[in-house]
Amino acid sequence: ELKVEQNPLFLSMQEGKNYTIYCNYSTTSDRLYWYRQDPGKSLESLFVLLSNGAVKQEGRLMASLDTKARLSTLHITAAVHDLSATYFCAVETNRGSQGNLIFGKGTKLSVKP
Amino acid sequence: DTAVSQTPKYLVTQMGNDKSIKCEQNLGHDTMYWYKQDSKKFLKIMFSYNNKELIINETVPNRFSPKSPDKAHLNLHINSLELGDSAVYFCASSRSISGMGTDTQYFGPGTRLTVL
Repeated sequence: ELKVEQNPLFLSMQEGKNYTIYCNYSTTSDRLYWYRQDPGKSLESLFVLLSNGAVKQEGRLMASLDTKARLSTLHITAAVHDLSATYFCAVETNRGSQGNLIFGKGTKLSVKP
Repeated sequence: DTAVSQTPKYLVTQMGNDKSIKCEQNLGHDTMYWYKQDSKKFLKIMFSYNNKELIINETVPNRFSPKSPDKAHLNLHINSLELGDSAVYFCASSRSISGMGTDTQYFGPGTRLTVL
């Protein structure tokens, strides 16, 4: 059974600092997603990572995937208050599984001035 | 234009009642999903439909019954509501990629269900 673990679950950081959120998963998968959720809101897709070594960047966020280590990272550069949200990684169980995503528990990020 | 919409946004009801949540997507996707997010923000898939056919049916009480009248709609009917059903229910949709699973899932705004 696929398990997805994120850490940390809570992250309080100051504006301007850098930090990394980690997402480990337990069985082989070739498709990993990062989502953002603001309080009381829906989930917004940030990145989809499809292959080993994939790296994607959008603004101050950069995501990477190492399928051999079964690890994805979400790196935050020079954090700003607007990045405060909960970030989820989600892993598709196996190819052709028709979208059976297993979500991590989420990392609640709070960026303080 | 709302890509994935759900109604109602809030639903407050008594234990034992039956209620439905509706979901519609205008993205032309062929796969739709229902997720439950509990009070600790943990998200778990409940069902998925591909071209109106049930694909994923996780361990969910049979009081929950999804219905897909067409590819653009996936409704969730819940019988005999219990306190533990209180949660936020999200609908999502995606397009399937032949032999490769599915593409990014797009989520609706959520329905906050409170059972009293």
